Amino acid sequence: DAGVTQSPTHLIKTRGQQVTLRCSPISGHKSVSWYQQVLGQGPQFIFQYYEKEERGRGNFPDRFSARQFPNYSSELNVNALLLGDSALYLCASSLAGGLEGGETQYFGPGTRLLVL
Amino acid sequence: AQSVTQPDIHITVSEGASLELRCNYSYGATPYLFWYVQSPGQGLQLLLKYFSGDTLVQGIKGFEAEFKRSQSSFNLRKPSVHWSDAAEYFCAVGPGTYKYIFGTGTRLKVLA
Repeated sequence: DAGVTQSPTHLIKTRGQQVTLRCSPISGHKSVSWYQQVLGQGPQFIFQYYEKEERGRGNFPDRFSARQFPNYSSELNVNALLLGDSALYLCASSLAGGLEGGETQYFGPGTRLLVL
Repeated sequence: AQSVTQPDIHITVSEGASLELRCNYSYGATPYLFWYVQSPGQGLQLLLKYFSGDTLVQGIKGFEAEFKRSQSSFNLRKPSVHWSDAAEYFCAVGPGTYKYIFGTGTRLKVLA
């Protein structure tokens, strides 16, 4: 079975631009989470979506938004890009999004965003 | 507040030597604990997880980890390191809801 897929793999933008990152979860998984990983740091939680509804949001500004589609794929949008938005953006999928009962998140390879 | 600390930023070991990567967490109840590995330019791969039961958990690639509640630790071990184990290792705690909190990672270098 295919794992979590993300596109594009790399992206270069300039300050002030907008970017859209895409994620397709593992087949059968209904939840998608987004994480930002700045160089030299661990991933930081941005959003989780389950059944097209936002379930949780991390400490990120309103410039960051996301949505989930009926096929459970997801997009992360970042507006008015700043240099500090340069990072690896990771998508993770899970069956139902809850960690209770032994559920695990499976991560995609990420999209590396560079803001110049 | 929940947090994860990985005290060692870098660790270097010789191939064939044993390995222990440290992880300490802060959480009010029994946590869900995970170790992930990240190779350069790659996403995160789950090595093992602890939810309940036996405090010594076995994972993939010959890794194991032990949950010690009294020390708030979940250290990762491997008896004999291979050159292919060179990567960055992340410990994470799941607060039982919907997100992980990650440590800052430990970068492992393996000497031939």
